[in-house]
Amino acid sequence: DAGVIQSPRHEVTEMGQEVTLRCKPISGHNSLFWYRQTMMRGLELLIYFNNNVPIDDSGMPEDRFSAKMPNASFSTLKIQPSEPRDSAVYFCASKPGLAGVFEQYFGPGTRLTVT
Amino acid sequence: DAKTTQPNSMESNEEEPVHLPCNHSTISGTDYIHWYRQLPSQGPEYVIHGLTSNVNNRMASLAIAEDRKSSTLILHRATLRDAAVYYCILRDVLGQKLVFGQGTRLTINP
Repeated sequence: DAGVIQSPRHEVTEMGQEVTLRCKPISGHNSLFWYRQTMMRGLELLIYFNNNVPIDDSGMPEDRFSAKMPNASFSTLKIQPSEPRDSAVYFCASKPGLAGVFEQYFGPGTRLTVT
Repeated sequence: DAKTTQPNSMESNEEEPVHLPCNHSTISGTDYIHWYRQLPSQGPEYVIHGLTSNVNNRMASLAIAEDRKSSTLILHRATLRDAAVYYCILRDVLGQKLVFGQGTRLTINP
């Protein structure tokens, strides 16, 4: 199993540009999570999906952020327009929907730098 | 979400046991105790979880106090690869969300 795949691994962009981060969950997992990690705020949950449906987006910072999951094998997190304070490492995680399975599997992250 | 309190950092020596404490005095009866760790430049990885009884797996052991207000993650024989930030997290039995605190940065000396 390839694990959770995220792309790109590194992204450098200028303020005001649109940024799209991508995630491929582990096959068969039906829950997907987007997290953001910064030195100041630590690791924060932004949004999570169950069976491709957004369940809780209360962690999304503002309207500049949007996330979609068009099918079970792909999700995107978009920032438009990007700002320097969005610089962070963004992690995607997935989890099986089986009862009694608690473990979330994290991807390697995308390091975003907005200049 | 019920909060957890962990020491900011701990240090140990290679091949010695490590006991990582976590206080969770406001834990509710339906909260599971989870431990994740984050190795340098990687995403977090699951270590272990428990509800009331002590738990063992190939990575670690979890000792839970009788009143459940604290727990301890035990690495029986630390290696250099165990150097990481360890997070103690409470998750409601019906919830999906993990709320990460600041964790404990564990340093392993050769």
